[in-house]
Amino acid sequence: DAKTTQPTSMDCAEGRAANLPCNHSTISGNEYVYWYRQIHSQGPQYIIHGLKNNETNEMASLIITEDRKSSTLILPHATLRDTAVYYCIVRAGGQLTFGSGTQLTVLP
Amino acid sequence: GAVVSQHPSRVICKSGTSVKIECRSLDFQATTMFWYRQFPKQSLMLMATSNEGSKATYEQGVEKDKFLINHASLTLSTLTVTSAHPEDSSFYICSATPPTDPNTGELFFGEGSRLTVL
Repeated sequence: DAKTTQPTSMDCAEGRAANLPCNHSTISGNEYVYWYRQIHSQGPQYIIHGLKNNETNEMASLIITEDRKSSTLILPHATLRDTAVYYCIVRAGGQLTFGSGTQLTVLP
Repeated sequence: GAVVSQHPSRVICKSGTSVKIECRSLDFQATTMFWYRQFPKQSLMLMATSNEGSKATYEQGVEKDKFLINHASLTLSTLTVTSAHPEDSSFYICSATPPTDPNTGELFFGEGSRLTVL
């Protein structure tokens, strides 16, 4: 699976949009972009995934650049419960390979 | 949505004993499950891929005789940490994906099992 690069940490004010970037410049054509998050001492929670088109669900939006070399996860109205480590992963099948992720802290 | 459950969520054992962790897919059948390990302040590291009815595939550096994996049914995989030592203390997490879309579908994770070896 391709390697991803994410900032180590980010802060966001409660109620504001949180925009989490991810670089995956070596992504191949059949690899999807997945986002998971992990709240302390829990298993990872699926957020969203996509291939080429932008995606939106009840949790977040995923914006993938046209060249697919980077993406942004958007939490439209961050709450304190969104404080977690967010992992961006590219995957063609099988297991997920986790990088270091971004520690998002939502501030009151 | 699909649910993966682990048991126990926490276990404390003495050095030298063996500990078994169960991973169950509650509403789907999983021919493949994955076991991860996570040390404090680190990311998840894949340990092994558990295949129903056949031997598990271990990642480089993971001792197969130390971490025994059994996937005897389509809804249950077990990880046994044999002769546990304090350095085996970690957060163990399993995952599985429904067979309808094994390559691109959502991978569901269990709640994790925290092992502390005294």
